[in-house]
Amino acid sequence: AQKITQTQPGMFVQEKEAVTLDCTYDTSDPSYGLFWYKQPSSGEMIFLIYQGSYDQQNATEGRYSLNFQKARKSANLVISASQLGDSAMYFCAMREGYGNQFYFGTGTSLTVIP
Amino acid sequence: GAVVSQHPSWVICKSGTSVKIECRSLDFQATTMFWYRQFPKQSLMLMATSNEGSKATYEQGVEKDKFLINHASLTLSTLTVTSAHPEDSSFYICSARDPEDDYEQYFGPGTRLTVT
Repeated sequence: AQKITQTQPGMFVQEKEAVTLDCTYDTSDPSYGLFWYKQPSSGEMIFLIYQGSYDQQNATEGRYSLNFQKARKSANLVISASQLGDSAMYFCAMREGYGNQFYFGTGTSLTVIP
Repeated sequence: GAVVSQHPSWVICKSGTSVKIECRSLDFQATTMFWYRQFPKQSLMLMATSNEGSKATYEQGVEKDKFLINHASLTLSTLTVTSAHPEDSSFYICSARDPEDDYEQYFGPGTRLTVT
């Protein structure tokens, strides 16, 4: 089974609107971390937000928030007030326990329309 | 946040030659570094985990004799693609864990390799 599933290969959003990028995960480890990264066309991986499995509150970082639903094993990224510069690939990732390996999803390509 | 650099950012080489890519942690000591490969419009694929002072751990299907990894110091890991072929053309990204930071990996900007 896939550790991380991103079911939206591509998404479009109007500038200034909010958009949700879906991510579901699969693990039996009670301790894990969930990450979202942005990859613009330049290729660099930009860390956006982190959610720990024991965190009670949903993580927020500026315009980014993570909708963490533990029972459903989902960790959706919400981007509010989309900007043209948000157009990029977005990857969801998970780390199990304190291990080294990150599991990445297949990514979602987001296009912000002016 | 911590900074990881990669050099070169892009390289073109001829088939049969070897290419070395460097990954450096600039403001922290990285006991563990990772090498990923990414094909266009695909996800990152972990190639190997590099631990300072010991042999790298390669993922299944990755040829260790073709992709030589050396982690000689706490701030430098190198990936050498030996006898490169056009199918080795890809985007290679390294990342590093800061032992002071218990959860994040810091990524380098990537190296685009084209083998002609």
